[in-house]
Order: sequence, then structure tokens, then C-alpha cells
Amino acid sequence: AQSVTQLGSHVSVSEGALVLLRCNYSSSVPPYLFWYVQYPNQGLQLLLKYTSAATLVKGINGFEAEFKKSETSFHLTKPSAHMSDAAEYFCAVRGNTGTASKLTFGTGTRLQVTL
Amino acid sequence: DAMVIQNPRYQVTQFGKPVTLSCSQTLNHNVMYWYQQKSSQAPKLLFHYYDKDFNNEADTPDNFQSRRPNTSFCFLDIRSPGLGDAAMYLCATSRTLGPANTEAFFGQGTRLTVV
Repeated sequence: AQSVTQLGSHVSVSEGALVLLRCNYSSSVPPYLFWYVQYPNQGLQLLLKYTSAATLVKGINGFEAEFKKSETSFHLTKPSAHMSDAAEYFCAVRGNTGTASKLTFGTGTRLQVTL
Repeated sequence: DAMVIQNPRYQVTQFGKPVTLSCSQTLNHNVMYWYQQKSSQAPKLLFHYYDKDFNNEADTPDNFQSRRPNTSFCFLDIRSPGLGDAAMYLCATSRTLGPANTEAFFGQGTRLTVV
């Protein structure tokens, strides 16, 4: 079985500051990891995905994430926060066969960006 | 441009009155998913279709049913909505189930209110 844990349900940063959203995974098979963003009353939009190619993954809107197997982590970062980054962020894990191939989401982290 | 379209965006239904939510896709993907997302929670998979094959999650209540008449359309039927079924319902698609880089594309969601 797979799962992800997102540390911190709420994160607040100042505009221009570093954004760091934490995600740790648990998987019995090589994991495939995703970060999604959700704006209020909207669906989920894919930010980036890790599929065992490069460990540092770059996504849209200046976000990136690094897969660290030794730490079972896939933290999301952005060097400089913008007001438009305020949203809910979900980390998700997916296996590669059968029922493990469904997406399992973490509980989400709400990012607040202040002036 | 919208690839996964959910209608309506907002739905109000009466307690116990059957309601149907619809989803269509222009991606010609094999897999369609329905997720339930309650306030401040992670999306929870209800079921998915791989082509015509229906796969129900073990903990999905019998009150929730789904139909997929063709590749493009998928419906979520709630036979007797209760107050606890008020949530955002998200439809998603993916090209297939197995490969890791098969990301899921989400619609904008339908917010269901039960009165």
C-alpha cells in the first residue's frame, strides 16, 4: 500500500520568500509522485511529477521538487512566493500496477502568501 | 480548451432526491475517475472506469453509482443524497492505468449542496 504524509496543514510565507511544502511517502514499490494545486472552488492542476527519471523535477509556475529516496521525501519548493501562489497543494503517490496504480492524495497544505 | 468538463459547477439538491453529476472529456482517455472531496480534506476515490470495466472502491457507499455510456461521458448518480454527501465531486481522466507517467487530468469539479 502507498501513502503520503504532508507535514503542516497551513503554511504562511511573505511575498518573495522561499516556499517549502513537505511531503513524505511510503511505498512498497518504486513510487511515482505528483504535486497538484487547487485554487478555491476549482479542480486539481498538475504542478509536476516524478517518474524515476531525474530526481530534481521542475514544474509549472516556478515550482520544483526533489525526490530523496534516503529520506522518503518529495518536498515542493519555490524560491520566491507570489500572491497568486496562495492555494491548496496536494502531494500524491501512484503505483505502477493494478490497484496500486490509483492516485492516493495527502491531506493537503494550504499556502497563504502575505505582503 | 477545457479537456475534462463537469456539469453543473454547482448543484443544489434536496435530501433524498436523486441527483446526477456529469463529466465529459475530449482527451479520448481510457480511464475516468470520480473523487469526493469534503471541505478541507483530500480527494477520495469513489470508483473508476477502465473503458467499460467498472471498479468500485471497497468503502464507497451503495448510494453512489456510476455510468459510462461511451468513452467521452461518465455520470455519477447519488440515489438518495444525505447531508453528509455535500462535497466537491471531481472527475478525472488518465490515458491508462499502469505506467507511472500517466498523470490524471481533473475537471473543475461540481460542488454539491444538500438541503
